[in-house]
Amino acid sequence: GAVVSQHPSRVICKSGTSVKIECRSLDFQATTMFWYRQFPKQSLMLMATSNEGSKATYEQGVEKDKFLINHASLTLSTLTVTSAHPEDSSFYICSARDRGLYTEAFFGQGTRLTVV
Amino acid sequence: GDSVTQMEGPVTLSEEAFLTINCTYTATGYPSLFWYVQYPGEGLQLLLKATKADDKGSNKGFEATYRKETTSFHLEKGSVQVSDSAVYFCALTERAGNTPLVFGKGTRLSVIA
Repeated sequence: GAVVSQHPSRVICKSGTSVKIECRSLDFQATTMFWYRQFPKQSLMLMATSNEGSKATYEQGVEKDKFLINHASLTLSTLTVTSAHPEDSSFYICSARDRGLYTEAFFGQGTRLTVV
Repeated sequence: GDSVTQMEGPVTLSEEAFLTINCTYTATGYPSLFWYVQYPGEGLQLLLKATKADDKGSNKGFEATYRKETTSFHLEKGSVQVSDSAVYFCALTERAGNTPLVFGKGTRLSVIA
C-alpha cells in the first residue's frame, strides 16, 4: 500500500516554544491530508483537514491559531503547535487518502509530543 | 450522517482463543468498510477492507464480511496470538478522498500467554 511518512516520531519541547510536525505522502499525490490527535487509550479525534494550496478546515473546538496547518505541496503537510503548553502533550497522527471514491486512508507513524 | 459503532473494550483473551469484535454502521449509500490496527506507539495500519456487500476481507488470519442486511462488518480471527494485542478500529467511507474516514471508537485487545 501507499506510504505516509511522519516526522519526528517523538519530540520533547519546553513550554512556550513551537513544534513542527511533517507529514509526507511518499508514493502518491495527496491533495488532502488529515490531522488527528489521540489521548492515551482513547479514540482518534479529527483536528483538521488540510487541502493543498488552500486553508485548512478545522473541526469545532480546535484552535486554528494554536495548531497551524500548511499544505504547500501535493506531498507535504505540516502541523505546527505554537506556544506549546503541557496540555498540548499528546499523540498526533496524520493521514492521507488517494483521490478516488471509496479509497482507504494511509497513516503516518504518529508523533508523540511532550511539553515540559 | 454516517457513523460506526464497535464493541467497547478492553477485550482480554488467552492465546489461541477465538476473537470477534463487533462493528455496525450507519450510512446513506453503499460504503467501503475497513478495519485498521494500531500497535502501541504507532500509527494505524490497514488490516483489511471490503468494498461491496458480501465481500470478505482477509489478512494475517483476520476476516470480516460485509453484511448489508445487518449493516455489520465484524472482525474475526480463529486463533489469536500475543502479537495481536493492539487497538482495532472499524471505519467506513462513501465519499471521495478529500473527506476523512468515519471511525469507530476503537477496541483494545490484550492477548495473554
